[in-house]
Amino acid sequence: DAGVTQSPTHLIKTRGQQVTLRCSPKSGHDTVSWYQQALGQGPQFIFQYYEEEERQRGNFPDRFSGHQYPNYSSELNVNALLLGDSALYLCASSFGQGSTDTQYFGPGTRLTVL
Amino acid sequence: QKEVEQNSGPLSVPEGAIASLNCTYSDRVSQSFFWYRQYSGKSPELIMSIYSNGDKEDGRFTAQLNKASQYVSLLIRDSQPSDSATYLCAVNTGSGTYKYIFGTGTRLKVLA
Repeated sequence: DAGVTQSPTHLIKTRGQQVTLRCSPKSGHDTVSWYQQALGQGPQFIFQYYEEEERQRGNFPDRFSGHQYPNYSSELNVNALLLGDSALYLCASSFGQGSTDTQYFGPGTRLTVL
Repeated sequence: QKEVEQNSGPLSVPEGAIASLNCTYSDRVSQSFFWYRQYSGKSPELIMSIYSNGDKEDGRFTAQLNKASQYVSLLIRDSQPSDSATYLCAVNTGSGTYKYIFGTGTRLKVLA
């Protein structure tokens, strides 16, 4: 049973560039959430995708955008990178429409902005 | 007041002892509560979920929920050095919201 997968594992970018991170949910899951985790902090919710639409968004600027494909995989795009965007980006998948569904995390993508 | 609060630690316990980790939350309507373990440089791994008041046991782990006092705790019995990690408490308020709100985590050190 494949778990949540993310690519790439690590990424180094410079300020002003754009980045795309990818996520494949756990087998049988149809919902993908994205979180940003800065060093020493808990994960912060960016947004959630369900049925190819953004269902809920956290307190992140429009530079952060996403997409979900018919096969439930998802992308996180960040434009005009800032130094403060350096963090671990986590994808979590879940199944169902309920707000209480358990979310399972992928291994994450470590983004460094220079 | 933070939405989900945890003592950052480190909490140090000897091997074989019981480790007690606590978490308080501010939104009274919160419905779902989760404990994740995160090793340094790794992603969070689900330990337990709890939805109703009382205790829920899974192996060496027991989650305790008290909605009236707005706290949730995690007990780890017979602590092992491999339990040394950061433990994250996550809360979902339900009511049509899908995001988890995380605390900053408590770092646990189990001393051999």
